[in-house]
Amino acid sequence: EVQLVESGGGLVQPGGSLRLSCAASGFTFSSYSMNWVRQAPGKGLEWVSYISSSSSTIYYADSVKGRFTISRDNAKNSLYLQMNSLRAEDTAVYYCARDLYGDYGDWFDPWGQGTLVTVSS
Amino acid sequence: QSVLTQPPSVSGAPGQRVTISCTGSSSNIGAGYDVHWYQQLPGTAPKLLIYGNSNRPSGVPDRFSGSKSGTSASLAISGLQAEDEADYYCQSYDSSLSGSRVFGGGTKLTVL
Repeated sequence: EVQLVESGGGLVQPGGSLRLSCAASGFTFSSYSMNWVRQAPGKGLEWVSYISSSSSTIYYADSVKGRFTISRDNAKNSLYLQMNSLRAEDTAVYYCARDLYGDYGDWFDPWGQGTLVTVSS
Repeated sequence: QSVLTQPPSVSGAPGQRVTISCTGSSSNIGAGYDVHWYQQLPGTAPKLLIYGNSNRPSGVPDRFSGSKSGTSASLAISGLQAEDEADYYCQSYDSSLSGSRVFGGGTKLTVL
């Protein structure tokens, strides 16, 4: 069974840092690009970051560029999101999602269960 | 403000058919990029419902269908059931934003 399990969420003060992890199983992790997507409480989905299978291509949403860093360890079947200079507006459930693609774009399947990040003093 | 525009809510009675629209622009849907749909049941993670405009993953009932035309896409749900009550999101790619995957704001489906 293809599975993604996030961890590392919690309460952090504004300006603080947090590192999220996503453990993958049930598929050849090193063959797939991955994404982080977040959802603020009561709000919609927001794509955060993308990393290719070899880490050669990385993209960020403008809202997190310069503050967040996506990375992966294919030997450990793990995806990471280092979040620095956190702000109240970064409060959200963070999901990792596998990237699947066709000729005209890509989509996310499956998704992990999410981990909650709360930025508050 | 989401790049893709969805109605905040739709509703229908059991057995009825409802549609959810997703309107984009010339830099995303209108540029030929595919539209994908996700279902998010209350308190759970999103689940892929439709990919590549109209394709259903294994296990998704054929009551769910997708289409795309011009700068818009639609999700149709026929034979509405109580368990379809959820939030639905469309997603595509936008060429004006580097590497950006974009979502609609989401539509809350209420089964009356």
